[in-house]
Amino acid sequence: AQSVTQLDSQVPVFEEAPVELRCNYSSSVSVYLFWYVQYPNQGLQLLLKYLSGSTLVESINGFEAEFNKSQTSFHLRKPSVHISDTAEYFCAVLGKNTDKLIFGTGTRLQVFP
Amino acid sequence: NAGVMQNPRHLVRRRGQEARLRCSPMKGHSHVYWYRQLPEEGLKFMVYLQKENIIDESGMPKERFSAEFPKEGPSILRIQQVVRGDSAAYFCASSPDPGEQYFGPGTRLTVT
Repeated sequence: AQSVTQLDSQVPVFEEAPVELRCNYSSSVSVYLFWYVQYPNQGLQLLLKYLSGSTLVESINGFEAEFNKSQTSFHLRKPSVHISDTAEYFCAVLGKNTDKLIFGTGTRLQVFP
Repeated sequence: NAGVMQNPRHLVRRRGQEARLRCSPMKGHSHVYWYRQLPEEGLKFMVYLQKENIIDESGMPKERFSAEFPKEGPSILRIQQVVRGDSAAYFCASSPDPGEQYFGPGTRLTVT
């Protein structure tokens, strides 16, 4: 079985500051890892994913995440946030022998001017 | 290529009524998943279906909930005799094969 822990339920930050949203997982099998973003009253949008290969993955809007197998982490980072990044961010894991995504409880990123 | 479609986007039902939620997967996707998001919580897996087959329903409540994905038409999540605790956002996702899932905009169910 898999589980995902997002320790920070809320992260307030000022515009143009760097941010890190933490995600740790546990699994007895190899996994794929995902970050989804949910804007208010909307569905989930895939932000980035780790399937294989390079452990550092990037999104088109400046976010990046690094898969760290030894620390079982997949933290999300952005060097300079915008107001428009305000949203809920969910980390999710998919076991390679399973069919269901396991989500963390989410981190609400609030960017202030 | 249109994304995953869900309707209705908002659904209000009185206690005891039935709720029917529809999901049309992306073109070419034959795998459909349903998740439920309770207020202030993450998404929880409910059921995984392929055309005409339920593959994994380990997350479905044992009573009142059912799902189908017929040969033709959308996937349907049905909740019979709704109760206040069923109020939530229900998300559908689809994929071309088991793996990366694309989510729809969700149906927000309110039970009064």
